[in-house]
Amino acid sequence: NAGVTQTPKFQVLKTGQSMTLQCAQDMNHEYMSWYRQDPGMGLRLIHYSVGAGITDQGEVPNGYNVSRSTTEDFPLRLLSAAPSQTSVYFCAVRRETGELFFGEGSRLTVL
Amino acid sequence: GENVEQHPSTLSVQEGDSAVIKCTYSDSASNYFPWYKQELGKGPQLIIDIRSNVGEKKDQRIAVTLNKTAKHFSLHITETQPEDSAVYFCAASRGYGNKLVFGAGTILRVKS
Repeated sequence: NAGVTQTPKFQVLKTGQSMTLQCAQDMNHEYMSWYRQDPGMGLRLIHYSVGAGITDQGEVPNGYNVSRSTTEDFPLRLLSAAPSQTSVYFCAVRRETGELFFGEGSRLTVL
Repeated sequence: GENVEQHPSTLSVQEGDSAVIKCTYSDSASNYFPWYKQELGKGPQLIIDIRSNVGEKKDQRIAVTLNKTAKHFSLHITETQPEDSAVYFCAASRGYGNKLVFGAGTILRVKS
């Protein structure tokens, strides 16, 4: 999935720790979003951004912060990690056709 | 807000048979309905999408149908092959990809 780069690919945290999942795109798309994927629940929207300086909440925003200072980057911050945030996180950009183009994911485990 | 339900949760077919996955949505204002395929360890990839002004769309062995009145849409895969084995997600949104809402997914296994 060249064009959307997520780091790290794997991370283990202890409850209460903070961390940032990075998402960078080289396709110059305005719309970026973060989803989490849990077994049996599909992908759920956490936060999204329609352009630099503009962010909004999705379906499951609690416990997560985002910012969008540049078109290229859209980091997702966990301020105080909880076991319920154990999940696979996907960053996606929206192409002009409407297609969401996903990164390869970041697998997070919170102990 | 939008709610998307997807059935079945798992589907096993013999190679060469057809597979059908069905989804229903709740928001009558939704106008964009994509289908994604996710292979193990990868991000979802778009395989086909349909907009509300079209009732059916085909791309080789894959087709999607949309019934706006009943608020449901379906994915049809013909002549299935082992490489079709994956998790498939349907989704719906207003405005072509804004705040896309996903179904829970279908695990498709194609047995050779």
